[in-house]
Amino acid sequence: AQTVTQSQPEMSVQEAETVTLSCTYDTSESDYYLFWYKQPPSRQMILVIRQEAYKQQNATENRFSVNFQKAAKSFSLKISDSQLGDAAMYFCAYRSAYMNRDDKIIFGKGTRLHILP
Amino acid sequence: DGGITQSPKYLFRKEGQNVTLSCEQNLNHDAMYWYRQDPGQGLRLIYYSQIVNDFQKGDIAEGYSVSREKKESFPLTVTSAQKNPTAFYLCASSIRQGGGGYTFGSGTRLTVV
Repeated sequence: AQTVTQSQPEMSVQEAETVTLSCTYDTSESDYYLFWYKQPPSRQMILVIRQEAYKQQNATENRFSVNFQKAAKSFSLKISDSQLGDAAMYFCAYRSAYMNRDDKIIFGKGTRLHILP
Repeated sequence: DGGITQSPKYLFRKEGQNVTLSCEQNLNHDAMYWYRQDPGQGLRLIYYSQIVNDFQKGDIAEGYSVSREKKESFPLTVTSAQKNPTAFYLCASSIRQGGGGYTFGSGTRLTVV
């Protein structure tokens, strides 16, 4: 079974600085997708970024980028120029590319990010 | 606009009563999911459904029940057998292939007194 591990329960970063959130996963599959979701105080889950495992190029979305290391099974999220609105719980997630009846996204336990003004 | 709607946003019930949380989507997604989230915690999967009239237990299905009679709807019933039902409940939907992420509803906060 696949697992997703976020080893940092909480992190803090000064506004305008850069922060990296760590995520590792375990799978025997070769084709899959990885995600980072953001959950702000409103508790609405927002998809931040998506990475396809067969693509070597790291995904980027404005100030958000990932460092995807397939061999190491690592998928970290870098937030540049941190803003107060980035304060949230961030979840790393995994989804198999193989469609089956058991298809679901596996979530990590989350990292709470605090932005210091 | 397409989306996924959970209602109500806040729900209060007396202990021992069953309660049903609504989840409706107009995204034409085949798959739907229910998660529970306790304060400061991650998401725990309750039930999920890939197609109409079929659903599977997640990690914490005890004390919950679901139905999937229509593609658009996946209601969750919290029964009196659920020992600690007070929590935040999130519904999500997705396409079945292509590596899409979930689209989430805005959640229902259930408080049992």
